[in-house]
Amino acid sequence: DSGVTQTPKHLITATGQRVTLRCSPRSGDLSVYWYQQSLDQGLQFLIHYYNGEERAKGNILERFSAQQFPDLHSELNLSSLELGDSALYFCASSVRGTSGRDNEQFFGPGTRLTVL
Amino acid sequence: GNSVTQMEGPVTLSEEAFLTINCTYTATGYPSLFWYVQYPGEGLQLLLKATKADDKGSNKGFEATYRKETTSFHLEKGSVQVSDSAVYFCALSDSDFKTIFGAGTRLFVKA
Repeated sequence: DSGVTQTPKHLITATGQRVTLRCSPRSGDLSVYWYQQSLDQGLQFLIHYYNGEERAKGNILERFSAQQFPDLHSELNLSSLELGDSALYFCASSVRGTSGRDNEQFFGPGTRLTVL
Repeated sequence: GNSVTQMEGPVTLSEEAFLTINCTYTATGYPSLFWYVQYPGEGLQLLLKATKADDKGSNKGFEATYRKETTSFHLEKGSVQVSDSAVYFCALSDSDFKTIFGAGTRLFVKA
């Protein structure tokens, strides 16, 4: 158990809908990262928050947004869903945020999103 | 930009065989290098890491050495077990707050 929790575990929805994925980092970790894992594109970095502020952006679509709240939990919002958004979405947390080096990340179990 | 390339899988080995999974990277500066493992139905977990050239990371019988001259961080294990069957990800972390993962290599170990 990494100490990172994600809800829900599974999510099935229809095209055009909007969903919210939730992540609670390990106690004491200030950084939260979101990743998308699909069969054809591997593990893609989406976005990184540190102590409530956005720190880095990866291949995140404009239809997707995220935020980190004062209690450090984070939510990833996916809207206007398309079939291609079906994937595993992982959240990870780490202590650091002021430097990316030596930055071990602890991953949650993931949310499996299926868009029908 | 920075990138990580690892050998394509799947890799299929018999129990007690020697394992090598190749990983090379492209990066400016001096990144830290990691191997993560993902067991079926689970999230990734850190297997080992190295933060500077010539460092050797090791854990659970796995080893990898940070080779700056060849920009490589190959994962090795002398004798694999069925329980090592998983997907292995090579990754680098730079000063730009990003961790970049390779595509992953699936390992199957047969009894």
